[in-house]
Amino acid sequence: LAKTTQPISMDSYEGQEVNITCSHNNIATNDYITWYQQFPSQGPRFIIQGYKTKVTNEVASLFIPADRKSSTLSLPRVSLSDTAVYYCLVGPLSGNTGKLIFGQGTTLQVKP
Amino acid sequence: DGGITQSPKYLFRKEGQNVTLSCEQNLNHDAMYWYRQDPGQGLRLIYYSQIVNDFQKGDIAEGYSVSREKKESFPLTVTSAQKNPTAFYLCASSKPDPGQGVFEQYFGPGTRLTVT
Repeated sequence: LAKTTQPISMDSYEGQEVNITCSHNNIATNDYITWYQQFPSQGPRFIIQGYKTKVTNEVASLFIPADRKSSTLSLPRVSLSDTAVYYCLVGPLSGNTGKLIFGQGTTLQVKP
Repeated sequence: DGGITQSPKYLFRKEGQNVTLSCEQNLNHDAMYWYRQDPGQGLRLIYYSQIVNDFQKGDIAEGYSVSREKKESFPLTVTSAQKNPTAFYLCASSKPDPGQGVFEQYFGPGTRLTVT
């Protein structure tokens, strides 16, 4: 599975847009990019998943350039409740067998 | 309400005792997983099961055992052989192959195990 690199921590203020970038230079052709959010003492929660270009849902957008060696999770107008750890994962959908690799993640601190 | 339940939320045990953590899901998912999380760290896969009566070791299976006798249940036993069992344990489930859809793991609320 492709290794990912993302910043350990980020700070932001309420109302700002936050962009968290993940590097995955060894991404394979059949790999997808997935982001999870985790609050303290809770299980991670799926945010968004994509293969290329741009994916948007009700909570976030995922930007993936043509070479797919990186991706950016964009959180519009964050609030205090978006303070959490965000994990970037890369792997195939088919035959995944659960081998998702959760690295250390990015701890996002949103300040008032 | 569909989801995953883990019990108890907090568990305390003495060193040398085996302890079993419960995980139940009513999402009708075939695949289930157990992860361990240590403070400030990501999740590490202990065991996973894609179907009833079958399971595979993850990256850190030593000192743990599982069973999968029912689709809904995937209990994890932390044995006395596990050298450092104090951690936050998370259970998850998923459809094994979404085909064209999104592959998503649904996580339970976790069990925090403390062994002294």
